[in-house]
Amino acid sequence: DIQMTQSPPSLSASLGETVSIECRASEDIYSNLAWYQQKSGKSPQLLIYYASSLQDGVPSRFSGSGSGTQYSLKISGMQPEDEGVYYCLQGSKYPYTFGAGTKLELK
Amino acid sequence: EVQLVESGGGLVQPGRSLKLSCAASGFTFSNYGMHWIRQAPTKGLEWVASISPSGGSTYYRDSVKGRFTISRDNAKSTLYLQMDSLRSEDTATYYCATDRNNYFDYWGQGVMVTVSS
Repeated sequence: DIQMTQSPPSLSASLGETVSIECRASEDIYSNLAWYQQKSGKSPQLLIYYASSLQDGVPSRFSGSGSGTQYSLKISGMQPEDEGVYYCLQGSKYPYTFGAGTKLELK
Repeated sequence: EVQLVESGGGLVQPGRSLKLSCAASGFTFSNYGMHWIRQAPTKGLEWVASISPSGGSTYYRDSVKGRFTISRDNAKSTLYLQMDSLRSEDTATYYCATDRNNYFDYWGQGVMVTVSS
């Protein structure tokens, strides 16, 4: 199985601060990487797919980058509504696997 | 508007069975692969099973292989997950989600399954 190592496990950011979350795959996943945001008690929402494509309706302060085994999600200017848990997902090979999550809070 | 509505969850004893349903609307269900993903209380997300648009291909994580069966009824725009020989470690919120070629885009609201005596 492909292991997804996500870091950091938690993050606290001030309003307007730029934050980054990383995911490292145990093998090349050929940009088959998606990012999700999950708010408390809600289902996950797709933010980024194919490593860097922004899902319709997602604010442009969210961006994704990376290739091969290393990927990152950047939020350029933290907003209160960005609080939640962020997960990466690899869809290159079954079983699809998620990172362990990053809990993002507003400082 | 795409809607996915899960149902069929509840409290069940270890070793018993439960069948989840996911009613889809707002898109042509028969054109899309579908997935079940679960999340144990206070834990992360875990992919469970997938099915192709026609239903001809299915995939499972090892821990549910032989116990869970994913299926679909395209005429009813409904996805199913038959869960047999349930274990305490299957306790989770189960989500259905649409496939968009290597990722999930739309998710349902989730349904809780508790396996306990």
